[in-house]
Amino acid sequence: DAKTTQPPSMDCAEGRAANLPCNHSTISGNEYVYWYRQIHSQGPQYIIHGLKNNETNEMASLIITEDRKSSTLILPHATLRDTAVYYCIVRLRYGQNFVFGPGTRLSVLP
Amino acid sequence: DSGVTQTPKHLITATGQRVTLRCSPRSGDLSVYWYQQSLDQGLQFLIQYYNGEERAKGNILERFSAQQFPDLHSELNLSSLELGDSALYFCASSPTGTPGEDTQYFGPGTRLTVL
Repeated sequence: DAKTTQPPSMDCAEGRAANLPCNHSTISGNEYVYWYRQIHSQGPQYIIHGLKNNETNEMASLIITEDRKSSTLILPHATLRDTAVYYCIVRLRYGQNFVFGPGTRLSVLP
Repeated sequence: DSGVTQTPKHLITATGQRVTLRCSPRSGDLSVYWYQQSLDQGLQFLIQYYNGEERAKGNILERFSAQQFPDLHSELNLSSLELGDSALYFCASSPTGTPGEDTQYFGPGTRLTVL
């Protein structure tokens, strides 16, 4: 199973960009990278996903390296409400399910 | 609001009892997933149903069972409850099982406390 490695915690100043890295060096060619976040004990919230190309939506941007061994989630202007645990997940084989690791605890500081 | 609803929000019960958690997926979603999140275990996948049939099983105990009904809502049944079953239980739904089109949307969860 492809696994991911994320730093356990990060800080970011309010209004600045938050760049959250994820290493997935064993990813296969047809596996997607998904990002979710969980604020307190709420249900995880979908952020973005991608396969090869960089992706952007209203919440964030996902930058995937050319060799696909790592990716970065970018929150362009972090706010206090972005304080959460961020999970980088590699979608396993078709039909398999999401495996949530410990994630990165992002603290946005005023 | 993800569109996934879960009831009840909180549940307090005693050891040895049986409870049922209910989930209504987003309109049009065919897949339902159940997860358990305890303090020391993180988010653990339990089971997935797709259009009424079991699709995948994770770390689900034999004391736990689930089903998805024709109207696509799902129920998770937990029996012979133990203190260690105290956790948040999340339901998620997705449109299909096609990679890239199976983004899971999570409900607000049910907090189960076993005393």
